[in-house]
Amino acid sequence: GQNIDQPTEMTATEGAIVQINCTYQTSGFNGLFWYQQHAGEAPTFLSYNVLDGLEEKGRFSSFLSRSKGYSYLLLKELQMKDSASYLCAVRDTGGFKTIFGAGTRLFVKA
Amino acid sequence: DTGVSQDPRHKITKRGQNVTFRCDPISEHNRLYWYRQTLGQGPEFLTYFQNEAQLEKSRLLSDRFSAERPKGSFSTLEIQRTEQGDSAMYLCASSSATGVETQYFGPGTRLLVL
Repeated sequence: GQNIDQPTEMTATEGAIVQINCTYQTSGFNGLFWYQQHAGEAPTFLSYNVLDGLEEKGRFSSFLSRSKGYSYLLLKELQMKDSASYLCAVRDTGGFKTIFGAGTRLFVKA
Repeated sequence: DTGVSQDPRHKITKRGQNVTFRCDPISEHNRLYWYRQTLGQGPEFLTYFQNEAQLEKSRLLSDRFSAERPKGSFSTLEIQRTEQGDSAMYLCASSSATGVETQYFGPGTRLLVL
């Protein structure tokens, strides 16, 4: 079956670092995406991993281990505007279908 | 580049009515996706087009749902005989068949079936 698991909610403090984990079990794998979604808005692209390792992009980093079916999104120097849902998504081998997790709602407090 | 646009942004309808949504992708993108998202969930894949060809359709999609992309540009999603369970946000995304192939999402159409 197809399954993507992420924590439902997380809370962190402004200026801190937070790690959002994602585990997946899918029939195929052709890349893992992280998207940010503010309430009432469309998802926006954050990062993409297809090979094992860490991808860094400013305050955001994403890690992938294909053998473990595991990824995490690391957010540094948290800002209040980072309060949003973070969606982990896996693209199927055929390249068409992308399966999304339910998302992790991150609350950043002062 | 105006991004992905969707119309209408909001739709309220009565159970049993038909509704149609429109998506205009980013102009140079040949791939187009439709998703449905309910509160507290991630987007759920509905269907995918490459140019005008519909290449995949979710098994979760009942026969009441149909999508078209007649000239490989804009797309429409029609829901016939709407049910209250169809209430959701309908998202459209487009991508280019090169590179990472990041999907860019439109603002969505929020459907409420009374």
